[in-house]
Amino acid sequence: GAVVSQHPSRVICKSGTSVKIECRSLDFQATTMFWYRQFPKQSLMLMATSNEGSKATYEQGVEKDKFLINHASLTLSTLTVTSAHPEDSSFYICSANRQGLDSPLHFGNGTRLTVT
Amino acid sequence: EDKVVQSPLSLVVHEGDTVTLNCSYEVTNFRSLLWYKQEKKAPTFLFMLTSSGIEKKSGRLSSILDKKELFSILNITATQTGDSAVYLCAGNSGNTPLVFGKGTRLSVIA
Repeated sequence: GAVVSQHPSRVICKSGTSVKIECRSLDFQATTMFWYRQFPKQSLMLMATSNEGSKATYEQGVEKDKFLINHASLTLSTLTVTSAHPEDSSFYICSANRQGLDSPLHFGNGTRLTVT
Repeated sequence: EDKVVQSPLSLVVHEGDTVTLNCSYEVTNFRSLLWYKQEKKAPTFLFMLTSSGIEKKSGRLSSILDKKELFSILNITATQTGDSAVYLCAGNSGNTPLVFGKGTRLSVIA
């Protein structure tokens, strides 16, 4: 069964509004979660590493004020796309792995965001 | 800079064919290599390889790692249309996020 749950799976919003995406680890604690973005027919692009109890680490070129990440508990990380614009339309995927360096990364089912 | 390179980028085969997907990596403090299958949604985990020469197998899929030559292959025998997907390879150093390749888009036609 799924080990990482992501919600919502699909969201359509108007330009200028904010959208929150939730990522939950099921039956395990994740001190670190990862947020990816994927454009059509392209590979995963790491946006940021979400750290429980501390600030997220953003990849170069990703605006931290645009993509707010909160990892308030060991099982929940959220990504908020603030003041969304059509160019933010994309597929956003979160991931987490169980404790231990050798446990595989598991992905949520992704959120398809469409900004009109 | 760590990198993972997959080849071919795309592949079209007929049902029943056998395919081999390639993945080479340069990952500092390498610990493992992972293969994922991505259809319409998020990637699903296939294999994690940590040791050279030990084949991992799941049904018609198998994979092996060569830590000396820094590559891995994913084999799919007797392909089916349901195998059509993007196959992603990723290198894991343990302390940093996975480094993904660009993927191989496999299309299996009837």
